[in-house]
Amino acid sequence: GNSVTQMEGPVTLSEEAFLTINCTYTATGYPSLFWYVQYPGEGLQLLLKATKADDKGSNKGFEATYRKETTSFHLEKGSVQVSDSAVYFCALSGTGTASKLTFGTGTRLQVTL
Amino acid sequence: DGGITQSPKYLFRKEGQNVTLSCEQNLNHDAMYWYRQDPGQGLRLIYYSQIVNDFQKGDIAEGYSVSREKKESFPLTVTSAQKNPTAFYLCASSIAEPNNEQFFGPGTRLTVL
Repeated sequence: GNSVTQMEGPVTLSEEAFLTINCTYTATGYPSLFWYVQYPGEGLQLLLKATKADDKGSNKGFEATYRKETTSFHLEKGSVQVSDSAVYFCALSGTGTASKLTFGTGTRLQVTL
Repeated sequence: DGGITQSPKYLFRKEGQNVTLSCEQNLNHDAMYWYRQDPGQGLRLIYYSQIVNDFQKGDIAEGYSVSREKKESFPLTVTSAQKNPTAFYLCASSIAEPNNEQFFGPGTRLTVL
């Protein structure tokens, strides 16, 4: 079946540092890939997505490239801010029923001044 | 504004009582989903529905029930058979086609005393 593996957190960075959160996946076919962000006590918000190999999703300074050869979708940001502190989830959508998503376990990011 | 609403935000119940969590969307989405989130864990799918009057079990359906009588509404009942119901519950919706993102509500935190 489908699965998503994320690096374990928490990840603690100083403001303006470079961020990478690793995500690898196992899936049949050609899934779409997503990054969601969850702020404390809230639901998930879509951060970015990519629907085919070599696509790059980007939003709010975050980027991730769909790498089929390495089955990866790593999240990056060049300069993090305190306001980026949240939990980040990598997810994939199977090619079967509807838009069922398979989520990783999430990576908590804490950015300090 | 279009979106998903969940109510209440916080819910307290005594052990052995059934409780129903509300989820409403005005995005005109056919598909709706319920997830459970426990501290430090990812999201686990409880039930999903692709169309009115039809729904399927997810990965952890035992002790839960749902109904889908209207397109806009997908209430979740946590029954007394659910052995560990204290958790954060998230509702989501999407168009009912593969590879599309899901939109999430703000969540309901259920505490069973």
